[in-house]
Formats: sequence, structure tokens, C-alpha cells
Amino acid sequence: KNQVEQSPQSLIILEGKNCTLQCNYTVSPFSNLRWYKQDTGRGPVSLTIMTFSENTKSNGRYTATLDADTKQSSLHITASQLSDSASYICVVMTTDSWGKFQFGAGTQVVVTP
Amino acid sequence: DTGVSQDPRHKITKRGQNVTFRCDPISEHNRLYWYRQTLGQGPEFLTYFQNEAQLEKSRLLSDRFSAERPKGSFSTLEIQRTEQGDSAMYLCASSPTGNYEKLFFGSGTQLSVL
Repeated sequence: KNQVEQSPQSLIILEGKNCTLQCNYTVSPFSNLRWYKQDTGRGPVSLTIMTFSENTKSNGRYTATLDADTKQSSLHITASQLSDSASYICVVMTTDSWGKFQFGAGTQVVVTP
Repeated sequence: DTGVSQDPRHKITKRGQNVTFRCDPISEHNRLYWYRQTLGQGPEFLTYFQNEAQLEKSRLLSDRFSAERPKGSFSTLEIQRTEQGDSAMYLCASSPTGNYEKLFFGSGTQLSVL
């Protein structure tokens, strides 16, 4: 069973609208959680990284939240643009000796005109 | 900082052939990771190096897979006797020395086995 679950699996939104993606994890021991954006046929690019003590972090129109107690995170996209069409992957890093990363399956976002 | 570079970007091969991929990490990043990603899924860990030492391999890495990083700089991933199930995106990532929380990915090599 994947230790990082993302929802929804995919979503379609109109340009200019907002959306929120969810990430639930069971990974332990927890070090940090990051969100990556992956364009089709490209490698993932980091959007935000949050440690245990951080509740929210923004990167432009992207805002990530973290509730370490409930082991949930969300990524909010504000005023979506066509270039936001991509897969968004939630990744949790453990505090194991070599910093093992657990990846979610991603949420495929399609922004339509 | 030129980013993580992977070559080739695309590879089409026939079943049973051997293929080799190359990854050049960001300069002086001592950790290098290989991942495999299939459509609609997140990357799956294959193996990782710290300098030239291969420190862990996933059970996904069958005997047909081998990875090397002989001089602690670039790395190669070889797949022998390819099977159709090997078709996937192979991603390389690197982390800077002493700051392993940062993970930078290359653009990947898309393998198609016919």
C-alpha cells in the first residue's frame, strides 16, 4: 500500500479558477513534505518544501499547507493558467539514514480556456 | 549550475536488446538517484549512490538492471534483455552534499520496448 495517497486522481478546471489538491500520508518518521510539478515528458520540478513545524508555504500562485498531526497536506492553485496543466506530485521524506523519499501517484490537472 | 542532464531523451528498442542510459548530475552533488515512472504513477525508487558507492537497490531492480557511478560523477543505468514491461520513463535525480533534502530531477529518458 502506497504510503502517500493523493486525490483527486485528475481534475479539469477553467482558466482563472482556483483548485485544491490533497495529499494524505502515513510515512514515518517524517522529515518534510514537498510538492512537485511535472509537465508531460519532463522531470518533476520542486514547488514547495515544508518541515514538521511549517503550516503553510507559498510559491507565487501555489500555496501548500501541512497538518502534521493529521498527516495531511494540500496544494492550492490560485487563478489557474493554461501553463498549470501538469501532474502535481506529493513527496514525503523520512528521517531514515539516507533520507528516503515516498512519492504519491500524482494529480493530473488540466486547465482549459 | 546546468541542471541534471539525461541522455538519451527517448529510446525505442526491440524486446531482448540491451539499452544504456546516462545521467550527469549537478556538479558536486554527491548523491544520485534513479527512479522509474510509468504513466499515471509517481516515480518508483530503483537505486541510489553516494559518490561512487551504490548504497541501496530496490527489489524492482532485477538482475537485468545494473547501475554504475564509477568516478562519483556521471552514472549509467543498463537494462539487459529488455522486456515490454520495462517501457517507462527513467528519471535521474541528484542532491547536494550536506543538503539531502533538496532533490533535483533530470528530464528523464523515455524507453519504449517494442
